[in-house]
Amino acid sequence: NAGVTQTPKFQVLKTGQSMTLQCAQDMNHEYMSWYRQDPGMGLRLIHYSVGAGITDQGEVPNGYNVSRSTTEDFPLRLLSAAPSQTSVYFCASSYSWSGANVLTFGAGSRLTVL
Amino acid sequence: EDQVTQSPEALRLQEGESSSLNCSYTVSGLRGLFWYRQDPGKGPEFLFTLYSAGEEKEKERLKATLTKKESFLHITAPKPEDSATYLCAVQPSPYLSNTGKLIFGQGTTLQVKP
Repeated sequence: NAGVTQTPKFQVLKTGQSMTLQCAQDMNHEYMSWYRQDPGMGLRLIHYSVGAGITDQGEVPNGYNVSRSTTEDFPLRLLSAAPSQTSVYFCASSYSWSGANVLTFGAGSRLTVL
Repeated sequence: EDQVTQSPEALRLQEGESSSLNCSYTVSGLRGLFWYRQDPGKGPEFLFTLYSAGEEKEKERLKATLTKKESFLHITAPKPEDSATYLCAVQPSPYLSNTGKLIFGQGTTLQVKP
C-alpha cells in the first residue's frame, strides 16, 4: 500500500516556465488537496477536490490549476512560474472529508523558481 | 477569522525533561482539532484528533488535551527520537464550512538532546 505518491521530489524552474506536480493515492480516498508550506507560515490550502470531476479553490489558488479526472490522481499545474511560488508542496487525501478530515500526506515536492 | 497559533516556535529539551506545546485557536464552530508530527524532508504524519473540550488522547509519551480555546501536547520524558516539528490544525464545523478545510498553525520544532 503506497499511500500518497508525489512526483517529482525536487524541481528547479525558471520564471515563466510551466510544470505539473503529480499526486496519486491508492486508498480510494474521496478527498484530495494541495498545500504549500513556507517558513513561518504553516501549511496553506491551494486547491482541493471532494471527488472525481469536482474541484474548488483554497486559501492561495492564484497561479495554480487543478483537475480531477479520476479518484486516484490530482495533479497541480503551475501556469507561469514565479519566484513567489518557491515552496514545498504537499498533496494530501482523506477517506471522509465531511467528518473529521484526517489527512494522509505525501512526502512533498520541493520547487525552486529562479 | 479562523486562525491557529502555536507556541513556542522552537523548544529544546534534555532527554527525560517533560514539557508542553501550546496550540491556541479561533474558529467559528469546531469539527475537530488535529495534531501531526513532521520529520525533516517528510510529509506530516497524523497523531491525534480531538473533538470537544475536556477530551484527552495518549500515544506513548504524548498526550493531547483540548479546551474551548487551546490544545496542549504534553511530552513526558522525551527521547531524542521525539525530535520533530509538531503541527496543530483545526477543522471548522461542517454546518458553517462544508469543505473539509483544515487551518494549520506554524508548528513547534522540538529538539531533544541526549
